[in-house]
Amino acid sequence: DQQVKQNSPSLSVQEGRISILNCDYTNSMFDYFLWYKKYPAEGPTFLISISSIKDKNEDGRFTVFLNKSAKHLSLHIVPSQPGDSAVYFCAALKSRGSTLGRLYFGRGTQLTVWP
Amino acid sequence: DVKVTQSSRYLVKRTGEKVFLECVQDMDHENMFWYRQDPGLGLRLIYFSYDVKMKEKGDIPEGYSVSREKKERFSLILESASTNQTSMYLCASSLDRTSGANVLTFGAGSRLTVL
Repeated sequence: DQQVKQNSPSLSVQEGRISILNCDYTNSMFDYFLWYKKYPAEGPTFLISISSIKDKNEDGRFTVFLNKSAKHLSLHIVPSQPGDSAVYFCAALKSRGSTLGRLYFGRGTQLTVWP
Repeated sequence: DVKVTQSSRYLVKRTGEKVFLECVQDMDHENMFWYRQDPGLGLRLIYFSYDVKMKEKGDIPEGYSVSREKKERFSLILESASTNQTSMYLCASSLDRTSGANVLTFGAGSRLTVL
């Protein structure tokens, strides 16, 4: 059963506007959350992360928000640029226990930013 | 920068063939992972390893095996390739499993087609 869910397989946004990508999780033991970006024919690259003790982390145009009570996180990209068009994967991590170090990934959201 | 190198970008094999996918990382990372990516299914973990000669099953280990004889090298083996193993295979590594935000560094991927 999927422990990390990205319910929107695709999102289309105009250049300059905000892109909001959503992610839900079921396991309350997750204590770190990460976003990866993937271009076609390349491996995923790390974008931004957030610890469960925070509710917001910002890095340039990218901000991740975490709502622990709702088990929900979102990635905001402002302003969106055509080069942001990629598949975005949400991932979660348990930093304690036997599966230490293993990431659980969502199925991804294809973001398309059009001019 | 950490580099994760996958030896083959594109392979075409026949059903029943034995297939080796090689992965090497150059930054002395402890953890190594093999994922496959399929449209609509995201990144699914096949096997991972926290140490030399150590391996653990991921979510979809059937039909695969792995080998980690040296710290920097993690090989994925398809003992008898089948058409449903046609996929993009992604190798990743991370520093250690005690750090909180355990960021994975991915290779560029190996696109395998089984005829």
